[in-house]
Amino acid sequence: EPEVTQTPSHQVTQMGQEVILRCVPISNHLYFYWYRQILGQKVEFLVSFYNNEISEKSEIFDDQFSVERPDGSNFTLKIRSTKLEDSAMYFCASGAEPVETQYFGPGTRLLVL
Amino acid sequence: AQSVTQPDIHITVSEGASLELRCNYSYGATPYLFWYVQSPGQGLQLLLKYFSGDTLVQGIKGFEAEFKRSQSSFNLRKPSVHWSDAAEYFCAVGAKEYGNKLVFGAGTILRVKS
Repeated sequence: EPEVTQTPSHQVTQMGQEVILRCVPISNHLYFYWYRQILGQKVEFLVSFYNNEISEKSEIFDDQFSVERPDGSNFTLKIRSTKLEDSAMYFCASGAEPVETQYFGPGTRLLVL
Repeated sequence: AQSVTQPDIHITVSEGASLELRCNYSYGATPYLFWYVQSPGQGLQLLLKYFSGDTLVQGIKGFEAEFKRSQSSFNLRKPSVHWSDAAEYFCAVGAKEYGNKLVFGAGTILRVKS
């Protein structure tokens, strides 16, 4: 069964450093998403992406964040200058249709020191 | 604003007992409803979903959920819980009118005692 994959599974970085989180969505999906879950808190929507552009973003998704689909398979989330409060589990998801079932990857646990 | 409430943070049930996890939502549109499960250190696995039609939906691992529009609820049930069901369960809601995002509840941690 096709799956969403994410790399790395864990990343530790210093405050102010740039990080890139990578995702490979399910191959025939067209809608891509990033969510995050701060430890002990709800899963929160960050951004959705379709047709090579952002279709919606949350208030969390400020200028420090960007997303890209650099080729036909990868979908990345970049945080330009990480802050302590960026420490969280980041989930990538993909879907074949808008809103309908989103399939989640295993997540990348980011720790900012 | 859209919101999802899971009123129970923790639930403990005995193995073999029945289970009901509650989910209430506040949405100004016809919702799409989901239940996901997260085992420790794992991602979110879809258990079941409701888009339209029959309000009782069946999912994987023997779970089912019932959509009650009048109560704005989408409670998850299982008739007989297994120890392997211990995990965190998330209710999520989406609607085309509010873009593509899912709004999640805070989650319910299920503990199963033998």
